[in-house]
Amino acid sequence: SAVISQKPSRDICQRGTSLTIQCQVDSQVTMMFWYRQQPGQSLTLIATANQGSEATYESGFVIDKFPISRPNLTFSTLTVSNMSPEDSSIYLCSVEERDIGQETQYFGPGTRLLVL
Amino acid sequence: DAKTTQPNSMESNEEEPVHLPCNHSTISGTDYIHWYRQLPSQGPEYVIHGLTSNVNNRMASLAIAEDRKSSTLILHRATLRDAAVYYCILRDVRDTGGFKTIFGAGTRLFVKA
Repeated sequence: SAVISQKPSRDICQRGTSLTIQCQVDSQVTMMFWYRQQPGQSLTLIATANQGSEATYESGFVIDKFPISRPNLTFSTLTVSNMSPEDSSIYLCSVEERDIGQETQYFGPGTRLLVL
Repeated sequence: DAKTTQPNSMESNEEEPVHLPCNHSTISGTDYIHWYRQLPSQGPEYVIHGLTSNVNNRMASLAIAEDRKSSTLILHRATLRDAAVYYCILRDVRDTGGFKTIFGAGTRLFVKA
């Protein structure tokens, strides 16, 4: 199974600033995903990051607010831009691997963001 | 993707079996049933998945109803470490686009010592 690390693990930021979250995987993967988990809530997919092409964003999320980079098959970044307190969440990176005839997703430990 | 329904929370005693139910009455013939769990302060982790037959692995067992409209995740002997939110998710076998917007609220499992 893929091992995923994220940096930073947590941060406290001022409103109006931006934070870039890094995701590193120990193997090459085709698809990487970014999720948001607001306090006490379940996970919501932000976007799918594919190497060599622009990220695909889900409804309610836009590139200007959450720009994503995917420079190679083991790394991706998510930037939370012009932050407001409503952006306080856990941001999780995830990858897919095909195993036993079905895709399985593996998740990073998450980045806890608090915006003041 | 079809929707799933789970109880908000369940409670179990340590070292006793736990049966976590999931209803998915609109499941399609190409949907796999996946279970993930999220331990406190961690990202979700894969538990088990199945299509039609019951499945066993080192973590749990998955019992799937004959009509596939419901399933049950079975933890044979709950430990304190099993306290987590358990998510039941349907995933179309033809879908390679990631789990999209189908992480429901899940079931929060409390384990008492």
